Amino acid sequence: DAKTTQPPSMDCAEGRAANLPCNHSTISGNEYVYWYRQIHSQGPQYIIHGLKNNETNEMASLIITEDRKSSTLILPHATLRDTAVYYCIVRSPIYNQGGKLIFGQGTELSVKP
Amino acid sequence: DTEVTQTPKHLVMGMTNKKSLKCEQHMGHRAMYWYKQKAKKPPELMFVYSYEKLSINESVPSRFSPECPNSSLLNLHLHALQPEDSALYLCASSHPWGGAGNQPQHFGDGTRLSIL
Repeated sequence: DAKTTQPPSMDCAEGRAANLPCNHSTISGNEYVYWYRQIHSQGPQYIIHGLKNNETNEMASLIITEDRKSSTLILPHATLRDTAVYYCIVRSPIYNQGGKLIFGQGTELSVKP
Repeated sequence: DTEVTQTPKHLVMGMTNKKSLKCEQHMGHRAMYWYKQKAKKPPELMFVYSYEKLSINESVPSRFSPECPNSSLLNLHLHALQPEDSALYLCASSHPWGGAGNQPQHFGDGTRLSIL
């Protein structure tokens, strides 16, 4: 079962920051938080991941709370092309788990003009 | 453009047909995955290959038969499918978990399969 909880949908105005929350209160100390998104009719696209520290790349920033029970994905200047389903995933580091991704229901983000 | 290529993009087949889905990557990844995604649902893992050996089968029915002939290719052989098997089939690749650490999976855009 997925170990994350996300709001089913969110709206964001174009050009504004989109802040997508994720709850993972049962996360273990060595489990990573991954974010993917899926634009309609495409495969999931990797965005960012982190363990304990906040992370930033060219697409987004990931803020993980100190107790690691929740995180927020930030798209700093949302565009219409960011409209997608965003998945927050807790990924086990255990080798025989194969690094598999267990997707939850995700958040459907709609960026509006 | 995705670095994981899946063919065909669309496939319609009858319940008695045999067909195969193909997936190819040239990123040097030694782990490859098949996922199934029903409409308006999240992807669900089916199989994991690591170093060309099947490492995880998520209790998938035997009418789905995976094959990894080499480190760049992954096939999914289909036989006697049911209408409820209609879905988007996604392939992904990555460095093996625990090998190059916490490397992300890269997905193809999938094959949309319809069973008549």
